Formats: sequence, structure tokens, C-alpha cells
Amino acid sequence: EVQLLESGGGLVQPGGSLRLSCRISGFTSTSYTMNWVRQAPGKGLEWVSAIEGDGTTFYANSVKGRFTVYRDNPYNSVSLQMNSLRAEDTALYYCAKDAVAGDGYLFFDYWGQGMMVTVSS
Amino acid sequence: EIVMTQSPATLSVSPGERATLSCRASQSITNNLAWYQQKPGQAPRLLIFAASTRATGIPARFSGSGSGTEFTLTISSLQSEDFAIYYCQQYNNWPPPTFGGGTKVEIK
Repeated sequence: EVQLLESGGGLVQPGGSLRLSCRISGFTSTSYTMNWVRQAPGKGLEWVSAIEGDGTTFYANSVKGRFTVYRDNPYNSVSLQMNSLRAEDTALYYCAKDAVAGDGYLFFDYWGQGMMVTVSS
Repeated sequence: EIVMTQSPATLSVSPGERATLSCRASQSITNNLAWYQQKPGQAPRLLIFAASTRATGIPARFSGSGSGTEFTLTISSLQSEDFAIYYCQQYNNWPPPTFGGGTKVEIK
């Protein structure tokens, strides 16, 4: 059974840092592109970042240079390091699995339960 | 960046009736479009990909159509569990893959 379990959210001050992790089970994570998608309170969905099986990474312009996605293969997880956080980064962050193995297609068949990140002083 | 526009923002439908949701892309995305359903407090659920292919376990009352820039999600006979927000998403040109703003299907 595919499971994605996020951890690491919380409250952080503007300019601060936070790391989200997504523990993966039920499939070989390096065979799929893994993604982060966020949803601000009461708003729609926004793709944030992706990491392909070979480690190639992609970012939304809004987070480029501040966020870093990486795989932690020994623990079968994917993490999102978020630096220089802003109020507009406040959102529920989902880990999401690409539906197609191999290079990214970037539509998502499994999602985690989401982890809230609040950026506020 | 491709902009996805969904209409209407809210659709009021009675149980058993048909619901038709629209999604428009700012440029052609061929058939690289997915639809998701999201209920309150839950993660999105993949319904449709490649514009018209139902994901695993999705009931036949959900159908998708369209290509190029105009797409439709049809729910043939609304069940109580179908009242939710529906998002379309293009994956033809990325990064970034982009989502529409959503259509809320509510009980009339």
C-alpha cells in the first residue's frame, strides 16, 4: 500500500527556516518523481517543487533560491528545506507522487495528508 | 506559465442531476490534463488524467473530455459523496504544472 507521511511543519518567524519530510512506503521512491504541492488557507493548489529519480530538481519561481528539495534515500524519504520564509509561504504542504514512473509527468496519484507551515511573527 | 481557468466558481446541483464543469487553458495543452476532487480536510484525489482516462477506482459516473484548450468534467448523476471542490491541472508544459482555481459543487 502506498503511503506518504509528512512531518516537520509548524510556526516560524519571517526569515526563518523549516524542513519538511515525506516518509515513503509501498513503492520504490527513486522510480518516481516526487513533488511538493501547497495550499494556502481557503485557497487553491500550487505546485512548489519536484525531484526526479536521478536527482534532477525543479522549482516554482516563487520559491526558487529559497527552497531545496532532496532525497534521503537511506530513509526512503524526500525532504523540502525551506529558508527565508515569508508570510505568503503559509500553507498546507502536501507530498505527492507522480503517477507515471520514470521522468516526471507531473500529475499526482497519491498524496500525503499535508503538513501546515505558518510563517508569522 | 500556462494559466488554467475553471468555470463556474460554484455549481449548485441537486442529487441525481448531472454536473458539467469547465476548464480552459491559456494555450494548447493537447490532452495533458488531470482532474482532482478535494473534500474538506482531505488531500486531493486524482479522478481523471490524459483528459479522459479515469484513474484507478474512480466510478464511471465521472467522465472527462476535451483537448487543446477546452476541457470538461461531467458527473452524470451526482451522489452525496460527490459534493466537493474540483480542480483541473495541466502537465503539458512544466515547470510549473498549473492548477485551475477550482469549482465548488454544492447541494442545491
